[in-house]
Amino acid sequence: AQSVAQPEDQVNVAEGNPLTVKCTYSVSGNPYLFWYVQYPNRGLQFLLKYITGDNLVKGSYGFEAEFNKSQTSFHLKKPSALVSDSALYFCAVTPGGAGSYQLTFGKGTKLSVIP
Amino acid sequence: DAGVIQSPRHEVTEMGQEVTLRCKPISGHNSLFWYRQTMMRGLELLIYFNNNVPIDDSGMPEDRFSAKMPNASFSTLKIQPSEPRDSAVYFCASNQARRNTEAFFGQGTRLTVV
Repeated sequence: AQSVAQPEDQVNVAEGNPLTVKCTYSVSGNPYLFWYVQYPNRGLQFLLKYITGDNLVKGSYGFEAEFNKSQTSFHLKKPSALVSDSALYFCAVTPGGAGSYQLTFGKGTKLSVIP
Repeated sequence: DAGVIQSPRHEVTEMGQEVTLRCKPISGHNSLFWYRQTMMRGLELLIYFNNNVPIDDSGMPEDRFSAKMPNASFSTLKIQPSEPRDSAVYFCASNQARRNTEAFFGQGTRLTVV
C-alpha cells in the first residue's frame, strides 16, 4: 500500500527567508508526486507535480520541489517566503503507470510565515 | 470550465437524518474522488470512481455511507442515518486518470450533524 509522510505538523518561517516543507513517500514502482495548497475554507489547489524527467520541479507561486529517489522524498521549497504563503500544504502520491488512480495524501503541514 | 462543483456548501442536520452531498466533476474527466477532511484524521479518501464505476470503496467508514455515479457528470455521497461524528468537510475531486494528471478539487461541503 502506498503512503505519504509529512513529519512536521507546523512550519514557521520569517518573511523573506527560504522555506522547506518535508515529504517522504512509500509506493511500489515509480511514483507520481504532487503538492497541493489549501487556504482557509477553500478546496485544495494544485501547486506542482513530478512525473518523470528533471528531479527539480517548478510550480505555481514560485514554489519548487526536488524529487529524491534514493531518499524517497519530495520536499517543497521556496527561496523567499511571503506572508500570503501561509496555508496548509499537502503532499500526495500515486503509483506511476496506466491504471494508477488512487491519490494518497499526507496529513498536511501548516505553514505560517511571520511578518 | 467552472471547475468541480459541489453542493451544498454548508449543511446542518440533525442526528438520524439522511444527508446527500452532490458533485459535478470537470467535463472530460474520467475519475472522481470523494474525500473527508477532519482535524483528527486529515484528508481521507472515501471512494473513487473510474468511468462511473466504483474502483475502491475501502475508505467508506461504514454501511451508513454510500456513493453513486449514475453518469459522467454527476455523483452523490449519501449518509443515512447521519451521526455527529460524521461532521467534517467533504471534498469531491476529479481528474483524467489515464494521463495521471493532477486532481482538481471542489470547494467542499461543510457538514455539521447536531
